[in-house]
Amino acid sequence: SHELKQPPSVSVSPGQTATITCSAAALAKQYAYWYQQKPGQAPVLVMSKDSERPSGVPERFSGSGSGASVTLTISGAQAEDEAVYYCQSAHAGSGTVIFGGGTQLTVL
Amino acid sequence: QVQLQESGPGLVKPSGTLSLTCAVSGDSVSENRWWSWVRQPPGKEPEWIGEVSHTGSTNYEPSLKSRVTISLDKSSNSFSMKMMSVTAADTAVYYCARGPVPFDRWGQGTLVIVST
Repeated sequence: SHELKQPPSVSVSPGQTATITCSAAALAKQYAYWYQQKPGQAPVLVMSKDSERPSGVPERFSGSGSGASVTLTISGAQAEDEAVYYCQSAHAGSGTVIFGGGTQLTVL
Repeated sequence: QVQLQESGPGLVKPSGTLSLTCAVSGDSVSENRWWSWVRQPPGKEPEWIGEVSHTGSTNYEPSLKSRVTISLDKSSNSFSMKMMSVTAADTAVYYCARGPVPFDRWGQGTLVIVST
């Protein structure tokens, strides 16, 4: 198995760019996925396969990957983007799924 | 519109068995997909429990494998999870989700408390 490491918190002012990183050696070979979770709600997929934005996710969300790390970028963060963001990956061979520790994004 | 809905007891006694069912609507569990259970202890990150395929094949998180069974019920378009020998550490919100990774649809979650 592997650990997905995320910063515990990120803070930005409204309209600024927020970047959240996720790192693990396995990410050099496996895709990463990003979920947004607001209090009392289930996680929502906001980025797939490192950089594919699912239908319905605002264009200000983008993703990138480089070697053992991936980045979720929110360009022009809005108050509604305040949430905990989790990265996720999976082992192709074993089928094991793992989540990062989560990053609390504060927009204020 | 695809919807998933968890159901089951909200309180389970220590050493007992936790049983949950996920009812699927707007999709068929017989289609070529995998269906997962994920739990999230209060204030912590989600933890994948395991998954079942449309054929009934399963994969489990290794640390939980000895206590968990996930199964498919095509007649009711649902899938279920049983977790044996629960302790307080199993207290969490339990979600069902549609996969394989990524999980593009989730249930609303159900809180299960392990306590006497």
